[in-house]
Amino acid sequence: GENVEQHPSTLSVQEGDSAVIKCTYSDSASNYFPWYKQELGKRPQLIIDIRSNVGEKKDQRIAVTLNKTAKHFSLHITETQPEDSAVYFCAVRSGGGADGLTFGKGTHLIIQP
Amino acid sequence: ETGVTQTPRHLVMGMTNKKSLKCEQHLGHNAMYWYKQSAKKPLELMFVYNFKEQTENNSVPSRFSPECPNSSHLFLHLHTLQPEDSALYLCASSPDRHYGYTFGSGTRLTVV
Repeated sequence: GENVEQHPSTLSVQEGDSAVIKCTYSDSASNYFPWYKQELGKRPQLIIDIRSNVGEKKDQRIAVTLNKTAKHFSLHITETQPEDSAVYFCAVRSGGGADGLTFGKGTHLIIQP
Repeated sequence: ETGVTQTPRHLVMGMTNKKSLKCEQHLGHNAMYWYKQSAKKPLELMFVYNFKEQTENNSVPSRFSPECPNSSHLFLHLHTLQPEDSALYLCASSPDRHYGYTFGSGTRLTVV
């Protein structure tokens, strides 16, 4: 089955700086790559996603890049703010008819004031 | 409220009890999912339903039994659970398999 590795497990950045979280996956036929944000005690929420026919997608301060050859994708957050503090999960939908998403272990992002 | 409602929010049950978790969505989605979230582990896919048909069972023990009577409702029936089954159980839905999920708030389950 699909194997998703997410790094780092914890990331601390100064407010206003950028944060980058990276995920690698194993199935070259994977075709959908969403990112979720989960604040403490709350449900995971979709923040951005990318499909395999696109290399980059941006939504205000958040961007995702995909390198299909290397089988990795990254979440970029610029001008970080205190409300960005949360756990971020990457996910992958494999090819071959799989219906469910496989998630990474999560990155705890801490924004230092 | 995101449109996916889970009940109860918290549940404490003994190992010999039988209980059910309920999930309801009013988003018109056709796919529904059960995930288990434990500390320091990734979200684990348990079951997938597409148009009321179960399409994935991710090697889940038989003490967990899903039911999907229609596209809007999903249940997880629990019996003779173990303490290691204590976790947050999240329901999610999506328009179909090509889109991301909307999650419910989860049921915090404690098995004693």
